[in-house]
Amino acid sequence: SQQGEEDPQALSIQEGENATMNCSYKTSINNLQWYRQNSGRGLVHLILIRSNEREKHSGRLRVTLDTSKKSSSLLITASRAADTASYFCATGNGGGSEKLVFGKGMKLTVNP
Amino acid sequence: GAGVSQSPSNKVTEKGKDVELRCDPISGHTALYWYRQSLGQGLEFLIYFQGNSAPDKSGLPSDRFSAERTGGSVSTLTIQRTQQEDSAVYLCASSFSTGLGTEAFFGQGTRLTVV
Repeated sequence: SQQGEEDPQALSIQEGENATMNCSYKTSINNLQWYRQNSGRGLVHLILIRSNEREKHSGRLRVTLDTSKKSSSLLITASRAADTASYFCATGNGGGSEKLVFGKGMKLTVNP
Repeated sequence: GAGVSQSPSNKVTEKGKDVELRCDPISGHTALYWYRQSLGQGLEFLIYFQGNSAPDKSGLPSDRFSAERTGGSVSTLTIQRTQQEDSAVYLCASSFSTGLGTEAFFGQGTRLTVV
Protein backbone atom coordinates (compact mmCIF):
# COMPACT_ATOMS: atom_id res chain seq x y z
CA SER A 1 0.00 0.00 0.00
CA GLN A 2 1.17 3.55 -0.65
CA GLN A 3 0.90 6.10 2.10
CA GLY A 4 2.35 9.30 0.70
CA GLU A 5 0.72 11.20 -2.07
CA GLU A 6 2.57 13.95 -3.88
CA ASP A 7 0.90 17.01 -5.27
CA PRO A 8 1.00 18.23 -7.98
CA GLN A 9 1.68 15.14 -10.04
CA ALA A 10 3.58 17.16 -12.61
CA LEU A 11 5.13 20.61 -12.52
CA SER A 12 6.86 22.55 -15.27
CA ILE A 13 8.80 25.72 -14.43
CA GLN A 14 11.53 27.93 -15.84
CA GLU A 15 15.11 27.80 -14.67
CA GLY A 16 15.65 30.11 -11.71
CA GLU A 17 12.10 29.75 -10.39
CA ASN A 18 11.26 27.97 -7.16
CA ALA A 19 9.49 24.61 -7.19
CA THR A 20 7.23 23.45 -4.38
CA MET A 21 6.02 19.89 -4.05
CA ASN A 22 3.60 18.67 -1.42
CA CYS A 23 3.16 15.29 0.19
CA SER A 24 0.23 14.11 2.27
CA TYR A 25 0.13 10.91 4.27
CA LYS A 26 -2.43 9.03 6.30
CA THR A 27 -0.99 7.37 9.39
CA SER A 28 1.37 8.52 12.12
CA ILE A 29 5.02 8.60 11.19
CA ASN A 30 8.37 9.00 12.88
CA ASN A 31 10.15 10.32 9.82
CA LEU A 32 9.51 11.51 6.29
CA GLN A 33 12.04 11.45 3.50
CA TRP A 34 12.29 12.91 0.00
CA TYR A 35 14.00 11.13 -2.87
CA ARG A 36 14.81 12.00 -6.46
CA GLN A 37 14.77 9.64 -9.41
CA ASN A 38 16.30 10.24 -12.81
CA SER A 39 15.51 8.12 -15.84
CA GLY A 40 13.31 5.64 -13.98
CA ARG A 41 16.13 3.85 -12.21
CA GLY A 42 17.70 4.14 -8.76
CA LEU A 43 16.49 6.72 -6.29
CA VAL A 44 18.75 9.18 -4.53
CA HIS A 45 18.02 10.34 -1.00
CA LEU A 46 17.63 14.10 -0.63
CA ILE A 47 16.59 14.87 2.92
CA LEU A 48 15.05 13.31 6.03
CA ILE A 49 12.89 15.11 8.55
CA ARG A 50 11.80 13.57 11.85
CA SER A 51 8.36 13.86 13.34
CA ASN A 52 9.60 16.23 16.06
CA GLU A 53 11.09 18.62 13.49
CA ARG A 54 9.16 21.29 11.61
CA GLU A 55 11.67 22.49 9.06
CA LYS A 56 14.97 21.40 7.62
CA HIS A 57 17.36 22.84 5.05
CA SER A 58 19.96 21.29 2.80
CA GLY A 59 21.57 23.52 0.20
CA ARG A 60 18.78 24.71 -2.11
CA LEU A 61 16.28 22.34 -0.50
CA ARG A 62 13.87 23.24 2.25
CA VAL A 63 11.52 20.69 3.76
CA THR A 64 8.67 21.40 6.13
CA LEU A 65 6.59 18.92 8.10
CA ASP A 66 3.18 19.52 9.66
CA THR A 67 2.21 16.42 11.60
CA SER A 68 -1.16 17.92 12.59
CA LYS A 69 -2.09 18.13 8.90
CA LYS A 70 -0.12 15.01 7.96
CA SER A 71 1.66 16.88 5.22
CA SER A 72 5.11 17.88 4.07
CA SER A 73 6.45 20.18 1.43
CA LEU A 74 9.71 20.22 -0.49
CA LEU A 75 10.90 23.54 -1.83
CA ILE A 76 13.69 23.73 -4.38
CA THR A 77 14.95 27.28 -4.74
CA ALA A 78 16.61 28.77 -7.82
CA SER A 79 15.85 25.65 -9.87
CA ARG A 80 18.22 24.38 -12.55
CA ALA A 81 17.62 22.25 -15.61
CA ALA A 82 19.52 19.48 -13.79
CA ASP A 83 16.75 19.39 -11.17
CA THR A 84 14.46 17.85 -13.79
CA ALA A 85 13.51 14.48 -12.30
CA SER A 86 10.76 12.63 -10.46
CA TYR A 87 10.47 13.35 -6.77
CA PHE A 88 9.04 10.97 -4.17
CA CYS A 89 8.17 11.30 -0.53
CA ALA A 90 8.49 8.27 1.72
CA THR A 91 7.26 7.74 5.24
CA GLY A 92 8.61 5.63 8.06
CA ASN A 93 6.37 4.58 10.92
CA GLY A 94 9.10 3.70 13.37
CA GLY A 95 8.33 1.20 16.10
CA GLY A 96 11.70 -0.37 15.48
CA SER A 97 11.03 -0.79 11.77
CA GLU A 98 12.82 1.12 9.02
CA LYS A 99 10.19 0.17 6.45
CA LEU A 100 9.60 3.01 4.01
CA VAL A 101 6.38 3.50 2.11
CA PHE A 102 6.62 5.67 -0.99
CA GLY A 103 4.14 7.92 -2.73
CA LYS A 104 3.41 7.86 -6.44
CA GLY A 105 5.90 10.57 -7.22
CA MET A 106 5.86 13.91 -8.96
CA LYS A 107 7.51 14.83 -12.24
CA LEU A 108 9.37 18.15 -12.20
CA THR A 109 10.52 19.69 -15.46
CA VAL A 110 12.80 22.71 -15.32
CA ASN A 111 13.04 24.43 -18.67
CA PRO A 112 16.31 26.20 -19.51
CA GLY B 1 31.25 -2.53 -3.02
CA ALA B 2 30.55 1.13 -2.53
CA GLY B 3 26.87 0.97 -3.32
CA VAL B 4 23.91 -1.35 -3.68
CA SER B 5 24.43 -3.69 -6.61
CA GLN B 6 21.62 -5.42 -8.48
CA SER B 7 21.88 -8.07 -11.15
CA PRO B 8 21.01 -8.55 -13.85
CA SER B 9 20.33 -4.98 -14.94
CA ASN B 10 17.94 -6.23 -17.60
CA LYS B 11 16.11 -9.52 -17.92
CA VAL B 12 13.81 -10.71 -20.67
CA THR B 13 11.97 -13.92 -19.94
CA GLU B 14 9.17 -15.92 -21.44
CA LYS B 15 5.82 -16.07 -19.75
CA GLY B 16 5.66 -19.01 -17.37
CA LYS B 17 9.40 -19.12 -16.63
CA ASP B 18 10.91 -18.50 -13.21
CA VAL B 19 13.34 -15.63 -12.62
CA GLU B 20 15.76 -14.73 -9.85
CA LEU B 21 16.83 -11.17 -9.16
CA ARG B 22 19.84 -10.52 -6.97
CA CYS B 23 20.68 -7.66 -4.63
CA ASP B 24 24.00 -7.01 -2.91
CA PRO B 25 23.43 -4.41 -0.21
CA ILE B 26 25.98 -2.05 1.24
CA SER B 27 28.21 -3.92 3.68
CA GLY B 28 27.01 -3.52 7.26
CA HIS B 29 23.49 -2.43 6.35
CA THR B 30 20.99 -4.38 8.39
CA ALA B 31 17.83 -3.36 6.55
CA LEU B 32 17.05 -4.41 2.97
CA TYR B 33 14.02 -3.54 0.89
CA TRP B 34 12.53 -4.64 -2.42
CA TYR B 35 10.21 -2.43 -4.41
CA ARG B 36 8.55 -2.73 -7.81
CA GLN B 37 7.99 0.17 -10.16
CA SER B 38 5.86 -0.07 -13.25
CA LEU B 39 6.43 2.39 -16.08
CA GLY B 40 5.73 5.92 -14.92
CA GLN B 41 4.36 4.75 -11.59
CA GLY B 42 5.35 5.00 -7.95
CA LEU B 43 7.25 2.47 -5.89
CA GLU B 44 5.23 -0.50 -4.76
CA PHE B 45 6.57 -2.02 -1.54
CA LEU B 46 7.22 -5.75 -1.80
CA ILE B 47 9.25 -7.00 1.17
CA TYR B 48 11.48 -5.69 3.94
CA PHE B 49 14.23 -7.49 5.88
CA GLN B 50 15.65 -6.14 9.12
CA GLY B 51 18.45 -7.98 10.87
CA ASN B 52 17.38 -11.36 12.16
CA SER B 53 13.72 -10.41 12.48
CA ALA B 54 11.06 -12.11 10.43
CA PRO B 55 10.71 -10.24 7.10
CA ASP B 56 7.73 -8.01 6.41
CA LYS B 57 6.21 -9.74 3.39
CA SER B 58 3.01 -7.73 3.38
CA GLY B 59 3.66 -6.25 -0.08
CA LEU B 60 4.23 -9.43 -2.04
CA PRO B 61 1.44 -9.47 -4.66
CA SER B 62 0.99 -13.24 -4.87
CA ASP B 63 2.48 -16.53 -3.75
CA ARG B 64 4.48 -16.59 -6.98
CA PHE B 65 6.77 -14.02 -5.35
CA SER B 66 9.28 -14.91 -2.67
CA ALA B 67 12.50 -13.47 -1.31
CA GLU B 68 15.26 -14.53 0.96
CA ARG B 69 18.27 -12.89 2.51
CA THR B 70 21.15 -15.20 3.23
CA GLY B 71 23.59 -14.48 6.02
CA GLY B 72 22.09 -11.08 6.55
CA SER B 73 23.62 -9.86 3.32
CA VAL B 74 22.74 -10.83 -0.27
CA SER B 75 19.06 -11.07 -1.13
CA THR B 76 17.31 -12.89 -3.95
CA LEU B 77 13.81 -12.10 -5.19
CA THR B 78 12.25 -15.03 -7.02
CA ILE B 79 9.23 -14.81 -9.28
CA GLN B 80 7.77 -18.13 -10.31
CA ARG B 81 5.66 -18.71 -13.42
CA THR B 82 6.12 -15.14 -14.59
CA GLN B 83 3.19 -13.25 -16.08
CA GLN B 84 3.21 -10.23 -18.38
CA GLU B 85 1.94 -8.02 -15.56
CA ASP B 86 5.16 -8.79 -13.67
CA SER B 87 7.05 -6.64 -16.18
CA ALA B 88 8.51 -3.73 -14.21
CA VAL B 89 11.70 -2.38 -12.71
CA TYR B 90 12.55 -4.13 -9.47
CA LEU B 91 14.46 -1.91 -7.07
CA CYS B 92 16.46 -2.98 -4.06
CA ALA B 93 17.61 -0.67 -1.28
CA SER B 94 19.50 -1.03 1.98
CA SER B 95 19.98 1.08 5.07
CA PHE B 96 21.73 1.01 8.42
CA SER B 97 18.87 0.42 10.79
CA THR B 98 18.67 2.68 13.84
CA GLY B 99 14.97 2.30 14.52
CA LEU B 100 14.61 6.05 14.15
CA GLY B 101 14.64 6.26 10.38
CA THR B 102 17.68 6.51 8.14
CA GLU B 103 18.21 7.10 4.45
CA ALA B 104 17.91 4.19 2.11
CA PHE B 105 20.48 3.60 -0.63
CA PHE B 106 19.07 2.25 -3.86
CA GLY B 107 20.53 0.05 -6.53
CA GLN B 108 19.98 0.81 -10.21
CA GLY B 109 17.26 -1.80 -10.47
CA THR B 110 16.54 -4.80 -12.65
CA ARG B 111 14.24 -4.17 -15.60
CA LEU B 112 12.18 -7.30 -16.06
CA THR B 113 10.30 -7.86 -19.30
CA VAL B 114 8.00 -10.85 -19.61
CA VAL B 115 7.15 -11.71 -23.22
